[in-house]
Amino acid sequence: SAVISQKPSRDICQRGTSLTIQCQVDSQVTMMFWYRQQPRQSLTLIATANQGSEATYESGFVIDKFPISRPNLTFSTLTVSNMSPEDSSIYLCSVELGNTIYFGEGSWLTVV
Amino acid sequence: AQSVSQHNHHVILSEAASLELGCNYSYGGTVNLFWYVQYPGQHLQLLLKYFSGDPLVKGIKGFEAEFIKSKFSFNLRKPSVQWSDTAEYFCAVNAGYGGATNKLIFGTGTLLAVQP
Repeated sequence: SAVISQKPSRDICQRGTSLTIQCQVDSQVTMMFWYRQQPRQSLTLIATANQGSEATYESGFVIDKFPISRPNLTFSTLTVSNMSPEDSSIYLCSVELGNTIYFGEGSWLTVV
Repeated sequence: AQSVSQHNHHVILSEAASLELGCNYSYGGTVNLFWYVQYPGQHLQLLLKYFSGDPLVKGIKGFEAEFIKSKFSFNLRKPSVQWSDTAEYFCAVNAGYGGATNKLIFGTGTLLAVQP
């Protein structure tokens, strides 16, 4: 299994600001993923982050709004830029290891 | 596009009752199917998964799920629930290729409350 740590676990942010979420995993993994879970909704994949290449974004998500870094095989960051109340959500980091997807505990962002 | 439907949004059961949570997906090709659970205040955990073989899959904590290809369903079951099963349950289908499991499409979740 994989142990995934996310920081911050929760934060309250002012609209118009940006916040970077960090994700650290205890194993080297090729693929890391960022999901969003909006209130009373399911999880939606934002992007796939591979080390050494640009992240691949899903429909409806763009790099300018959600820039991602993947500097090595155990770490990734997701930035939520120019936040609005609609960005209030739980952001989850996940990794694939042994054909199974593991999730971090999530970062709960509230934009006011 | 693939989609996943969970018909029960909120289920309330008494302890020892039997549980069945519905999950249907829309995709005509080969699929990998998953059930995840999120206990209050905790992260998502894998309950069980189906890739191929026996369509009846057993997972952790006494849960099982049956893949019925003709019905595009992967319902989760447990014969006797406990108060500790109170959680939100998510069905998910992979959107990868050739059996890859990396991109998951999730259902909207079912919130299960077990009353002691």
